[in-house]
Amino acid sequence: DIQMTQSPSSLSASVGDRVTITCRASQSISNYLIWYQQKPGEPPKLLIYAASSLQSGVPSRFSGSGSGTDFTLTISSLQPEDFATYYCQQSYSTPFTFGPGTKVDIK
Amino acid sequence: EVQLVESGGGLVQPGGSLRLSCAASGFTFSDHYMDWVRQAPGKGLEWVGRARNKVNSYTTEYAASVKGRFTISRDNSKNSLYLQMNSLKTEDTAVYYCARENSGWYFDLWGRGTLVTVSS
Repeated sequence: DIQMTQSPSSLSASVGDRVTITCRASQSISNYLIWYQQKPGEPPKLLIYAASSLQSGVPSRFSGSGSGTDFTLTISSLQPEDFATYYCQQSYSTPFTFGPGTKVDIK
Repeated sequence: EVQLVESGGGLVQPGGSLRLSCAASGFTFSDHYMDWVRQAPGKGLEWVGRARNKVNSYTTEYAASVKGRFTISRDNSKNSLYLQMNSLKTEDTAVYYCARENSGWYFDLWGRGTLVTVSS
């Protein structure tokens, strides 16, 4: 199985900050990397697919980059509604696996 | 409206069984792979398994942790996905989400989930 790791596990930031979350795969997954946002009591929401493609309706302050084993999710200017937990997922092969999540909270 | 609605969760004893349902609407259900993803309380996301689409003969695939105990099926006439869970263990306690899989093998539509609690 492909193992996914994320760093940091949590971070505190202020509105307007630039935030970067890193995801690493245990083997090359090309660009088969997905990012989701999850708020408490809600299902995950798709943000980014194919490592860098923005899902329709997602604000342009979200961006993704990377290929192979190392990937990044960037929020260019953090907004109040962005405080949530972010998960990466590999879709290169089954079993699909997720990172442990990065919780973004208010500083 | 495009949506997925899960039902069937509840409290069950270890060793027991439960069947979850997911009702889909607003899209051509048979065209899509459909998946189950679970989340234990306070924990991360775990893929449970999938049922492929019509083109791929609706075949199924499972995570090792549930293989042989869980069965995914679909009724395309009812636009519904099911998860039959047998021999339940306490570690199966989780919110179970139904998710639509896009052609790029990512989940672009999720239900709100149904909670399964396995406890004596």
